[in-house]
Amino acid sequence: EPEVTQTPSHQVTQMGQEVILRCVPISNHLYFYWYRQILGQKVEFLVSFYNNEISEKSEIFDDQFSVERPDGSNFTLKIRSTKLEDSAMYFCASSVTPSGANVLTFGAGSRLTVL
Amino acid sequence: SQQGEEDPQALSIQEGENATMNCSYKTSINNLQWYRQNSGRGLVHLILIRSNEREKHSGRLRVTLDTSKKSSSLLITASRAADTASYFCATGLRSNDYKLSFGAGTTVTVRA
Repeated sequence: EPEVTQTPSHQVTQMGQEVILRCVPISNHLYFYWYRQILGQKVEFLVSFYNNEISEKSEIFDDQFSVERPDGSNFTLKIRSTKLEDSAMYFCASSVTPSGANVLTFGAGSRLTVL
Repeated sequence: SQQGEEDPQALSIQEGENATMNCSYKTSINNLQWYRQNSGRGLVHLILIRSNEREKHSGRLRVTLDTSKKSSSLLITASRAADTASYFCATGLRSNDYKLSFGAGTTVTVRA
């Protein structure tokens, strides 16, 4: 069964440092997403990406965040100058069509701890 | 906010019993999806129900959708210990919508 893979599974960083979370979506999927889940809270939408550009982003996704698809397989989330409140589980997801009409396949997540 | 809200927040049942959880949302939707999350893991899609559907089944899962009440329910029949997880509803507003809005989830514990 195809799956979305994420690395690292857990990253610990110092406040103010930059972090890059990596994802390999399912190969025939065209739409890519990042969601995050602060411990014990809701899963929150961050950004969606299609055709090499951001298609939608939430108010959480400010200038501190950026996404990139540097090659044909990877999809990355960069968090600049991390803050304590960025500590969360970050999930990458992909879908064949936009999420409103189809289902998302999620990765296992990258747990980010900011100290 | 479009986010779904699940009810109850937590549910503890005996193996073999049925588990029912509800989701309410605020505005018109294109579809509603249910996902499962095992502790510390990613979300796994369970079932999608479109706004023109009223009920769907998948194995031991039964989902209903009442658009007039803006609510959905997920029923897990004959529960097993492996069903212990958090269950989330997520709504998609339009067929070309890029964003799913998740609720806070219902944590289900199935006791052996």
